[in-house]
Amino acid sequence: GENVEQHPSTLSVQEGDSAVIKCTYSDSASNYFPWYKQELGKRPQLIIDIRSNVGEKKDQRIAVTLNKTAKHFSLHITETQPEDSAVYFCAAVNSNSGYALNFGKGTSLLVTP
Amino acid sequence: NAGVTQTPKFQVLKTGQSMTLQCAQDMNHNSMYWYRQDPGMGLRLIYYSASEGTTDKGEVPNGYNVSRLNKREFSLRLESAAPSQTSVYFCASSYVEGSGELFFGEGSRLTVL
Repeated sequence: GENVEQHPSTLSVQEGDSAVIKCTYSDSASNYFPWYKQELGKRPQLIIDIRSNVGEKKDQRIAVTLNKTAKHFSLHITETQPEDSAVYFCAAVNSNSGYALNFGKGTSLLVTP
Repeated sequence: NAGVTQTPKFQVLKTGQSMTLQCAQDMNHNSMYWYRQDPGMGLRLIYYSASEGTTDKGEVPNGYNVSRLNKREFSLRLESAAPSQTSVYFCASSYVEGSGELFFGEGSRLTVL
């Protein structure tokens, strides 16, 4: 099955700085790469996703990039704010087989004022 | 519109006891999933049901059974609970033909003594 590695496991940035979280995947058939955010004590929620037919996608302060050749994808958060503090999970799946996602182990992001 | 509802939210069991976690969704989703979340381990897929009438093992199925009772409900059963099953369990659902977004329940915190 798909194996997703995520780095770093913890990340601390100052408010206003950028944060980058990187993931690698093993299955070249994977074509769907979502990112979920989980605030403390809450459920995970989708924040952005990308499919293998595009290399980059942006939504306001967050963006995701995908390098299919190298099998890695990254989440970029610009102008970080304290409310960005959360655990972020990447995942990868071959959507032709459904959406049973294999998640990375998560990155705990702390944004300090 | 409640989304994904899990019960119970908290449960304490003794080793060897059995219990069932219930999950129901009211979004007419085809697919449903059970994940467990442990510190530093991310979200690991236990079982999933791509559509009514089907179930498949995920990454960590040992010690669990599932039942897709109907399109709305997907239950997770621990037949003989072990301390290693102490975890937070999340149920999720999605459209198999849709965007791929997983909608999670609030989670169920299980402690096995």
